[in-house]
Amino acid sequence: DTAVSQTPKYLVTQMGNDKSIKCEQNLGHDTMYWYKQDSKKFLKIMFSYNNKELIINETVPNRFSPKSPDKAHLNLHINSLELGDSAVYFCASSQDFGGLRVQPQHFGDGTRLSIL
Amino acid sequence: QKEVEQDPGPLSVPEGAIVSLNCTYSNSAFQYFMWYRQYSRKGPELLMYTYSSGNKEDGRFTAQVDKSSKYISLFIRDSQPSDSATYLCAMIGAGGTSYGKLTFGQGTILTVHP
Repeated sequence: DTAVSQTPKYLVTQMGNDKSIKCEQNLGHDTMYWYKQDSKKFLKIMFSYNNKELIINETVPNRFSPKSPDKAHLNLHINSLELGDSAVYFCASSQDFGGLRVQPQHFGDGTRLSIL
Repeated sequence: QKEVEQDPGPLSVPEGAIVSLNCTYSNSAFQYFMWYRQYSRKGPELLMYTYSSGNKEDGRFTAQVDKSSKYISLFIRDSQPSDSATYLCAMIGAGGTSYGKLTFGQGTILTVHP
């Protein structure tokens, strides 16, 4: 039974299109995250939601819009896709937003986005 | 300059070797230090975490932190082929822009060959 699941696993699309990635966690966690991992494996946080409230919003183009319909779901919508958006996008969740406390984050297996 | 620097490798060792993985950081606000392991086509999984300078041991893994030098290490003893993965260091800050957020190193690709 997958703890953090993302769909789709692979997404190949044309430049300029709009696409969404979905994430669901069944761990009962309050906090969810989106990360982007580039071709050099560099993993960087994009957004975080705690109890459906946005708490971390990194310097990300406003073409990227997260949406959290409930605590168990965090979706990522991307408008007007660009070549530079090609990457692996990871969803993660943790018990709550620990601030300084270490909150083990459980990651999904990623969505591989390729822009043609 | 990135806040967290990690040599991407790749690092290739024979089975049974002791592996040393390292990260340096520049942000004095970092207070918690973690190591994640990422297998190919999978998400990262937390291996170990610590917040104080010194060593922390868990089975074949030892995490070492030297806050005065802003340097952290992960040692793997008796390495196994199943340890082949990318190892990412990560840190959380006590304040400023790094507060509450995981900042990752680039990851080191490790291969342990039989």
